[in-house]
Amino acid sequence: DIQMTQSPSSLSAFVGDRVTITCRASQNIGIYLNWFQHKPGKAPRLLIHGATSLQSGVPSRFSGSGSGTDFTLTISSLQPDDFATYYCQQSNNPPFTFGPGAKVDIK
Amino acid sequence: QVQVVESGGGLVKPGESLRLSCVASGFIFSDYYMNWIRQAPGKGPEWLSFISSGSTTTVYADSVRGRFTISRDNDKQSVYLQMNNLRVEDTAVYYCARDLTTGGLADLWGQGTVVTVSS
Repeated sequence: DIQMTQSPSSLSAFVGDRVTITCRASQNIGIYLNWFQHKPGKAPRLLIHGATSLQSGVPSRFSGSGSGTDFTLTISSLQPDDFATYYCQQSNNPPFTFGPGAKVDIK
Repeated sequence: QVQVVESGGGLVKPGESLRLSCVASGFIFSDYYMNWIRQAPGKGPEWLSFISSGSTTTVYADSVRGRFTISRDNDKQSVYLQMNNLRVEDTAVYYCARDLTTGGLADLWGQGTVVTVSS
């Protein structure tokens, strides 16, 4: 199985900060990398698919980059609605594994 | 409204069975692959299974293969997860999710249904 790791596991930031979360796959997954946002009690939300493609309706302050084994999610200017946990996931081969998450909270 | 809504969770003892249901609305259900994904307390999500639009293909994670069965009824806009021989480690929130492609990319999730396995 492909293992996914994320860093940091948590971070504190101010509204307006630029935030970067990294994700690493244990083997080459090309661009089959997706990012999700999850808030407690809510349905997880797809933000980015195919490493860089912004899902419809997602604000442009979210962006993704990378290929192969190393990927990044960037929030260019953190907004109050962005405080949540973010997960990466590979959809290259089943089982479609997720990372352990990165919790973003208010500083 | 485009949504999926899960139901059927509950408290069961180890070795017992449970059947989860998920009803879709607001989109052409029969056009889409569907997934089941779970999240145990304090852990990241775990993809469990997907089923193709016409039910011809099903794929499972090793952790549930042979115990869980995914199925769907396109006339009822529903997907199901039959869970047998449940274990304590199956305790989690279970999510139904529409697939954007042909397996593994969930673009529309429900709010989940809670399954607790405890003696």
